[in-house]
Amino acid sequence: TQLLEQSPQFLSIQEGENLTVYCNSSSVFSSLQWYRQEPGEGPVLLVTVVTGGEVKKLKRLTFQFGDARKDSSLHITAAQTGDTGLYLCADYGGSQGNLIFGKGTKLSVKP
Amino acid sequence: KAGVTQTPRYLIKTRGQQVTLSCSPISGHRSVSWYQQTPGQGLQFLFEYFSETQRNKGNFPGRFSGRQFSNSRSEMNVSTLELGDSALYLCASSRTLGSGTQYFGPGTRLTVL
Repeated sequence: TQLLEQSPQFLSIQEGENLTVYCNSSSVFSSLQWYRQEPGEGPVLLVTVVTGGEVKKLKRLTFQFGDARKDSSLHITAAQTGDTGLYLCADYGGSQGNLIFGKGTKLSVKP
Repeated sequence: KAGVTQTPRYLIKTRGQQVTLSCSPISGHRSVSWYQQTPGQGLQFLFEYFSETQRNKGNFPGRFSGRQFSNSRSEMNVSTLELGDSALYLCASSRTLGSGTQYFGPGTRLTVL
C-alpha cells in the first residue's frame, strides 16, 4: 500500500510570511489531491493534480507536482489567519483502490 | 445545495457499549465512504458503500460495520467500544464509485470513556 509522508508536521508563522509544505509518496501518484481541514470541520478539497510537472494556482496558494509524480508541494504567499488549518495530501493508492491520506501539516498563522 | 450532514456531532460512550453514526450524502450522490481520524494515525479509510452494497473495506476489525439505504443515506456501527475507538468519524459522498471527488461532512466526535 502506498504511503504518503507530509512535512513539516507542524508550522507556526506570522501573518504575511510565506511557507511551503511537502507531500512525498512511496509510489507514483495516480491523482494527487490537497485538502484543508479547519478545526471542527471535515476536509475540503483544494485542488487535484494529475500530470507530472503540473503547477496550479488558487489565489495565494501554488501547488506543484513533481515530474516523477512522487512528490508535491503547496506554497502559500503572504499567509493570512484564515489559512490556519490542517493541510492534507491524498491519493487513490489504497489496497482497495480507496483514497489514502498523509498525516497532514498543521498550520497556525498568528496575527 | 446542502452538503454532507452527519449526526450526532458529538457522542460520549463507555467501553463495551455500541454506537451508531449517521450520514446523509449530497443529493444525487450514490457513494458514501467512512473514515476514522485520530491524532496518531491520521485519516484512515473504513469502508465505502455504493448502491446499498459495501464495495471496499479498510483494515479495521469486524466490530466496525455499516450499511447504506436506498436513499443513499448511510449508517456506521461500532460494537463493543474500546478506548482506542475515540476519534473523529468522517463520512464523504461522491457521485460515483472510485476516484471521483469526495465531499466530506463535519464529522462525529466520539469519545469512549
